[in-house]
Amino acid sequence: SQELEQSPQSLIVQEGKNLTINCTSSKTLYGLYWYKQKYGEGLIFLMMLQKGGEEKSHEKITAKLDEKKQQSSLHITASQPSHAGIYLCGAPTGAGNMLTFGGGTRLMVKP
Amino acid sequence: DVKVTQSSRYLVKRTGEKVFLECVQDMDHENMFWYRQDPGLGLRLIYFSYDVKMKEKGDIPEGYSVSREKKERFSLILESASTNQTSMYLCASRTLRYDTEAFFGQGTRLTVV
Repeated sequence: SQELEQSPQSLIVQEGKNLTINCTSSKTLYGLYWYKQKYGEGLIFLMMLQKGGEEKSHEKITAKLDEKKQQSSLHITASQPSHAGIYLCGAPTGAGNMLTFGGGTRLMVKP
Repeated sequence: DVKVTQSSRYLVKRTGEKVFLECVQDMDHENMFWYRQDPGLGLRLIYFSYDVKMKEKGDIPEGYSVSREKKERFSLILESASTNQTSMYLCASRTLRYDTEAFFGQGTRLTVV
């Protein structure tokens, strides 16, 4: 079965600093999703990557999928307290119907 | 606005009780999922359904069952709740296309005492 490993597990940064979260798959990815979760709430979709080398941005968040399609990174530029939460990567698995997720990265941004 | 709605945000149940968690989506999605989320373990799939009355076991189905009698509704059932089922439960829905995102409900925090 496909496994997604995220690093780091937790991160504390000073407001204004840049940061990167990584997601590594045990198998080739046929799609990679990034979600954000505010503490105690549901997941909010950020973006989806499909092609090797693809990069997408939304406001100050940029996600990339490597050429080999086994690793993705999420980069936040000039972090703000509103970026705090849990970031999860997810991928379709099995016949594509199921979604499997990484363990999540807990981000805290200190004002 | 698309919506996945879970019946309760917080729930406290006693050990041995039968517990029903309800999830409704208004997007006509074929796929629906139940996950549980625990600190350090991320999201783990309990069951998913790709059609009415169809279900597939996920990674941790033991102690749970599901019901999908109508396309928009997917229920998770804890036959006899135990303290190790205290967790955050998340429902999601998605189309059949594998290149589309899943939409999540707000979560149900279940405490079994």
